[in-house]
Amino acid sequence: KAGVTQTPRYLIKTRGQQVTLSCSPISGHRSVSWYQQTPGQGLQFLFEYFSETQRNKGNFPGRFSGRQFSNSRSEMNVSTLELGDSALYLCASSVTGRTDTQYFGPGTRLTVL
Amino acid sequence: AQSVTQLDSHVSVSEGTPVLLRCNYSSSYSPSLFWYVQHPNKGLQLLLKYTSAATLVKGINGFEAEFKKSETSFHLTKPSAHMSDAAEYFCVVSDTGGFKTIFGAGTRLFVKA
Repeated sequence: KAGVTQTPRYLIKTRGQQVTLSCSPISGHRSVSWYQQTPGQGLQFLFEYFSETQRNKGNFPGRFSGRQFSNSRSEMNVSTLELGDSALYLCASSVTGRTDTQYFGPGTRLTVL
Repeated sequence: AQSVTQLDSHVSVSEGTPVLLRCNYSSSYSPSLFWYVQHPNKGLQLLLKYTSAATLVKGINGFEAEFKKSETSFHLTKPSAHMSDAAEYFCVVSDTGGFKTIFGAGTRLFVKA
């Protein structure tokens, strides 16, 4: 079975731009969660989608948004990028949700200049 | 309220000696507890999880963890460290509904030859 894939792997943007990250979950997994990882804040939960609906949301500003498609693929969008948005963005998929085993992708490293 | 504390930010052991990574948690409900490992520039990989079955949980690569409710601890151990165990380890607590998932700050494990 193919693992979780994330594209692109690396991204460089400038302040004020917007960015879209993509995540393809493991086949059959309906839950996709997004996390932000930074040296200062560690791993923080952004949001979770299940069957195209946002089920949970972390404590991030509205500039961070996401969606899930009918094939469970998910996208995350960050608008009006700030320097502090530089991070590794990890996507995880699971069959039923975050109490289930989550399988993580390799991440997208976003650098904001 | 839920919280998770990894008591050591860095642990250094010699190859072939035991590993102990400490994790204390706080949860209002019966939690699900996980240990994940992250190798450099990689996503997270599940080592093991506790979901109210046996209190001693065996994971991959020889790791195991014991759930001690009285001490609110879920320490990760391995009898004999290998060089390939050098990585960052995250203790994670999730409530039964999966509505809140909190990652510990991580413990970086160094293994000396």
